[in-house]
Amino acid sequence: DGGITQSPKYLFRKEGQNVTLSCEQNLNHDAMYWYRQDPGQGLRLIYYSQIVNDFQKGDIAEGYSVSREKKESFPLTVTSAQKNPTAFYLCASSVPSGQGSDTQYFGPGTRLTVL
Amino acid sequence: RKEVEQDPGPFNVPEGATVAFNCTYSNSASQSFFWYRQDCRKEPKLLMSVYSSGNEDGRFTAQLNRASQYISLLIRDSKLSDSATYLCVVNKGNQGGKLIFGQGTELSVKP
Repeated sequence: DGGITQSPKYLFRKEGQNVTLSCEQNLNHDAMYWYRQDPGQGLRLIYYSQIVNDFQKGDIAEGYSVSREKKESFPLTVTSAQKNPTAFYLCASSVPSGQGSDTQYFGPGTRLTVL
Repeated sequence: RKEVEQDPGPFNVPEGATVAFNCTYSNSASQSFFWYRQDCRKEPKLLMSVYSSGNEDGRFTAQLNRASQYISLLIRDSKLSDSATYLCVVNKGNQGGKLIFGQGTELSVKP
């Protein structure tokens, strides 16, 4: 059963702590993405990776870091430097441009609340 | 100007109504266009891709006007289960697989 999984579903963190959100896919997609969504707003791109061991900053990368050591996995670390981290975090994957589709498929998301 | 702009919602319609959503985009190099559906507190799910010739999937029809940089989604005979937020999504053209998401238009179908 192919898909994208994210864990945990809900996460509470104290101010000043780093936290890592998990994203795993078994769709054999090369590209993976992280977005955040705030209430009433569209998705904003944090980081993306088009191939293993390579990633680029999106529009709002400050205060976040990622790694892409395996094709299946693209974890996101929300650092204490992120000024307003409370949000809904969504991971997506796709077959990258040039292979016929930009369609992105999403995981179920992680809702992060900073206390 | 926002890169992707949608009709502000919410749209409150009775069951059986026909509803149309509009979306404009600013990047003339964009080549891929989509409508996603997002239920409350859930992830977005692909509803349909949008092709230049227009395309239909059951009660849903999507159209693209490249000259005007305009995309539309028509829902006929709306059902209670159509209640959701509809996201207009456009790729960034020459920037790989990067997508730009509109802020969404909320639809509420009432009995």
